[in-house]
Amino acid sequence: GAVVSQHPSWVICKSGTSVKIECRSLDFQATTMFWYRQFPKQSLMLMATSNEGSKATYEQGVEKDKFLINHASLTLSTLTVTSAHPEDSSFYICSAPLTLAGDRNEQFFGPGTRLTVL
Amino acid sequence: RKEVEQDPGPFNVPEGATVAFNCTYSNSASQSFFWYRQDCRKEPKLLMSVYSSGNEDGRFTAQLNRASQYISLLIRDSKLSDSATYLCVVSPYSSASKIIFGSGTRLSIRP
Repeated sequence: GAVVSQHPSWVICKSGTSVKIECRSLDFQATTMFWYRQFPKQSLMLMATSNEGSKATYEQGVEKDKFLINHASLTLSTLTVTSAHPEDSSFYICSAPLTLAGDRNEQFFGPGTRLTVL
Repeated sequence: RKEVEQDPGPFNVPEGATVAFNCTYSNSASQSFFWYRQDCRKEPKLLMSVYSSGNEDGRFTAQLNRASQYISLLIRDSKLSDSATYLCVVSPYSSASKIIFGSGTRLSIRP
């Protein structure tokens, strides 16, 4: 199956610093990627849709100036958490959709990045 | 009302038991339906897509009832390795883009 990687897998930072998370589709191109956030014992919440070559689309309640998304190529989307605070500590996961044989559509997830802000 | 609702569980059943999960969705225009499995501190992994006629994959059977906006997952002869959180996922589009996750149902299989 298709592979999506994320880097870093975990990061610990001080409050006020910015953290960049990379999401790469390794063996396929993705004009669209999705960024999710998951707090403990909760489900994944879609934060934004990353669009290659254009602005990201943010879900209601997600601050676009705080969570900067750049989809510079067909295989890379980055999420930058600016001026991170402890409440931003969470599990961030990206995904990319791919149409498989037989018009079967599937979403491939990265392994996630665990962010801890002290 | 949440777009996708699941019983959070936890379900704690003995090995070999049959367990069923239910899920309801609010958007009647939804087109695609999936069950994902998520292990602790890991990313979700697709368990199976759910088609209108229902489908089976080994010990797993998924059913869709569009009239009732209801999806189910049945696990037969449960194994210890089935312990995980099961996520009901719905997409309003015909492709897998922009999928909506349910809150998940935790399953724990005991020896």
